[in-house]
Amino acid sequence: QVQLQESGPGLVKPSETLSLTCTVSGASMSSYYWNWIRQPAGKGLEWIGRIYASGSTNYNPSLKSRVTMSVDTSKNQFSLKLSSVTAADTAVYYCATAPHGSGYGMDVWGQGTTVTVSS
Amino acid sequence: QSALTQPASVSGSPGQSITISCTGTSSDVGGYNYVSWFQQHPGKAPKLMIYEVTNRPSGVSNRFSGSKSGDTASLTISGLQAEDEADYYCSSYTSTSTLVFGGGTKLTVL
Repeated sequence: QVQLQESGPGLVKPSETLSLTCTVSGASMSSYYWNWIRQPAGKGLEWIGRIYASGSTNYNPSLKSRVTMSVDTSKNQFSLKLSSVTAADTAVYYCATAPHGSGYGMDVWGQGTTVTVSS
Repeated sequence: QSALTQPASVSGSPGQSITISCTGTSSDVGGYNYVSWFQQHPGKAPKLMIYEVTNRPSGVSNRFSGSKSGDTASLTISGLQAEDEADYYCSSYTSTSTLVFGGGTKLTVL
């Protein structure tokens, strides 16, 4: 079955760039779209954006100026870069997708990775 | 884009039914049948419970149902069980090809 695993530094300094990777197993990346979602501790979910295998992207307007997503189908990975981070970017970051025909409802999620922004 | 509006909390006794609302605009909930509902237990990743307003993924109990009227979508859980206690989030596709979540609703089973 399709599985996702986030990876990346757990600690990022303010003003630097957060970089995360999601490794996909059990699915062809060319078939679906791939999302990033985050959740600050004790708060709600925030959609960051999605990327298609073609490289086409859609981003949350509130983050668009700082977000870059990329995909590497040869490695079965997609990535998130968030620049100029502040403490407000501290959150659990999830990657998610919808490989079972659930449209824009993501039914496969990674376990999440905690990123703390602090000096 | 503004977050969809959900009640902060709802509660019900075992066996009862509860409904969680999710209000948006004609640019998201009202404009598309792409409303989803997620259940999240503490420390866990969200789980898809409903997609495209009314559809249940394989394996999700038929006690969970979704509906929509105008700019408001709803999740109904019937026959409440203790394990239903969790946070619930709605999401919707938007007119700018983005996705927006609701603020979340904490369900307490009394």
